[in-house]
Amino acid sequence: AQSVTQLGSHVSVSEGALVLLRCNYSSSVPPYLFWYVQYPNQGLQLLLKYTSAATLVKGINGFEAEFKKSETSFHLTKPSAHMSDAAEYFCAVSGTGNQFYFGTGTSLTVIP
Amino acid sequence: GAGVSQSPSNKVTEKGKDVELRCDPISGHTALYWYRQSLGQGLEFLIYFQGNSAPDKSGLPSDRFSAERTGGSVSTLTIQRTQQEDSAVYLCASSPQSASRGNEQFFGPGTRLTVL
Repeated sequence: AQSVTQLGSHVSVSEGALVLLRCNYSSSVPPYLFWYVQYPNQGLQLLLKYTSAATLVKGINGFEAEFKKSETSFHLTKPSAHMSDAAEYFCAVSGTGNQFYFGTGTSLTVIP
Repeated sequence: GAGVSQSPSNKVTEKGKDVELRCDPISGHTALYWYRQSLGQGLEFLIYFQGNSAPDKSGLPSDRFSAERTGGSVSTLTIQRTQQEDSAVYLCASSPQSASRGNEQFFGPGTRLTVL
């Protein structure tokens, strides 16, 4: 079975500061891991995904995430937050079967 | 090319009424998913269609919920005898292939359902 846990339902950072959104996963098989972003009143958009190639994955809008098997983590980072990064972020895992398993989301607020 | 579209964008209904939510996936995508997103919650898997295979209905919360996919394209999610706890945003996503191969899902904007 697979699952993800996102630590921190709300994260606030100052504009220009480091963004760190945490995700830990549980999977009985090598996982595929994803980060999605949801802007207000919109569907989810893929930021990046890990599919067993490079452990450091670069995505859109300057985001990246590092797969750490020993820590079962896939944290999302961005060196310098921008006002436009304010959104809801979801971590997800897929493995065996048909389903994606999504975390409960982290709402990112960027303070000017 | 067009993305995933959903209609209506908003639906307000009275308790006990039936509702139909529509999803038009990206052309050529064989996989289609329905999710429910409640306030402050993650995405709850409802049902999965893959090509002509029997759908995976394991996420449907009750027998009031059903879905079909006609001609391998458009899908309709039906909720019968709606309850207030059904109020949520219903998201549809499509994918070129099954999610188990790590394929990205493309999401529609969702239908916000409010049951009074």
